[in-house]
Formats: sequence, C-alpha cells, structure tokens
Amino acid sequence: GENVEQHPSTLSVQEGDSAVIKCTYSDSASNYFPWYKQELGKGPQLIIDIRSNVGEKKDQRIAVTLNKTAKHFSLHITETQPEDSAVYFCAASPLMSSTLTFGKGTMLLVSP
Amino acid sequence: EPEVTQTPSHQVTQMGQEVILRCVPISNHLYFYWYRQILGQKVEFLVSFYNNEISEKSEIFDDQFSVERPDGSNFTLKIRSTKLEDSAMYFCASSEALLGTGNYEQYFGPGTRLTVT
Repeated sequence: GENVEQHPSTLSVQEGDSAVIKCTYSDSASNYFPWYKQELGKGPQLIIDIRSNVGEKKDQRIAVTLNKTAKHFSLHITETQPEDSAVYFCAASPLMSSTLTFGKGTMLLVSP
Repeated sequence: EPEVTQTPSHQVTQMGQEVILRCVPISNHLYFYWYRQILGQKVEFLVSFYNNEISEKSEIFDDQFSVERPDGSNFTLKIRSTKLEDSAMYFCASSEALLGTGNYEQYFGPGTRLTVT
C-alpha cells in the first residue's frame, strides 16, 4: 500500500518568513495530493490540493509543488503569520479511490 | 458554509462496551468516510461508504467495527467491544464524488475523542 513520509516533524519560523514542508510517497498510482491544516481540537481542514497532471498550484500565500518522477510534493507558505501556526498534514490518494493516506504531520510554529 | 458535524465531542467508555459515534455529512455529499488519529500519530483511514455499502476498508476496520447510514442524514461508526487501543480521535469526512469524477475533496468533521478505560 501507499506510504507517505513527511518532514520536518516540527518547524519554527519568524513571522514573515517562508515555511516549506516536504512529503514523499511510494505508490506511483497516487495522483491526488491534498494538504490539510489541523488546529488544536479541530478536524483537518483542506487548504490546497494538487493533481498529478499539474506541477504547481498557488492560492495566495500558499503553494504546492509536485514532482511525480521523484514522488515528492511540497507545501510552501510565504509571509507566514501567527495564525498559520497549526499541524499540517500531507496526503496521497490514487485515482478513483476513496482512501487518503496521510503523512505524520508537521507542527508549524510562527513566532511574532 | 456547510460542514460535517459529529457527536459526541468526547466519549468515555469501559473496555468491552459498545459505542456508536455519529456524524452528519454535508447534505449533498454521497461518499462518507471514517478516519482515526491516535494521540500524536498520523490520521489513518478506516472505511469509506457509498450507496449504502462499504466501498473500501483498511486492515484496522475488523469485525468489531461497523458503519451504517440509518436515515437520510446520519452516518454512524459502531465499535462492538471496545479495547484500550481503540482510544483515539475519530473523524468523519464526506465528499461529493470520487477522485476523477467530480468534486472529490474530502471535508472533515471536528472529531469525537474516544477514551476507553
């Protein structure tokens, strides 16, 4: 089955800096890669996703890049703000499947 | 904005007891899911459900687990005889469609924290 590895496990940045979280996956059949943000006591919230026919996708301060050959994808957050502090999860899923396989999560702390 | 809701927010039960976790998916969604997250670990897929039957299930989803859509709005996860290791946060999610067929984004509820003592 699919295995998703996520790094780093924790990331501390100063407000205004950029943050990058990286994930690798094992199953070449995976072609949907969402990112979720989980705040304390809440469920994961979808923040951005990318499909395998696209190399990069951007939504304001958040961008995701995908390298299918290397089987890795990354989340980029620019101009970080304290409210970006949360746990971020990457996930992968094959086409026509209902299964999301998650990474272990990255705790992002943005200091004012 | 429509959202997935779950009840209760916290359930404490004794080992060996049955528990039912409840979810109300987003109203126009057709695919429903349960995931669990043991404290400090990754979110793990349990089961997906479509058209009143299980679509996929993981190795975790053994005979002690069952799912049901008892009416037009609720989606439930039953654990027949709880074990200590079932203690976790259980998330319900729903999507309008499957990946590749339409709006496939999965939206998660706030979770039910299950504590088995």
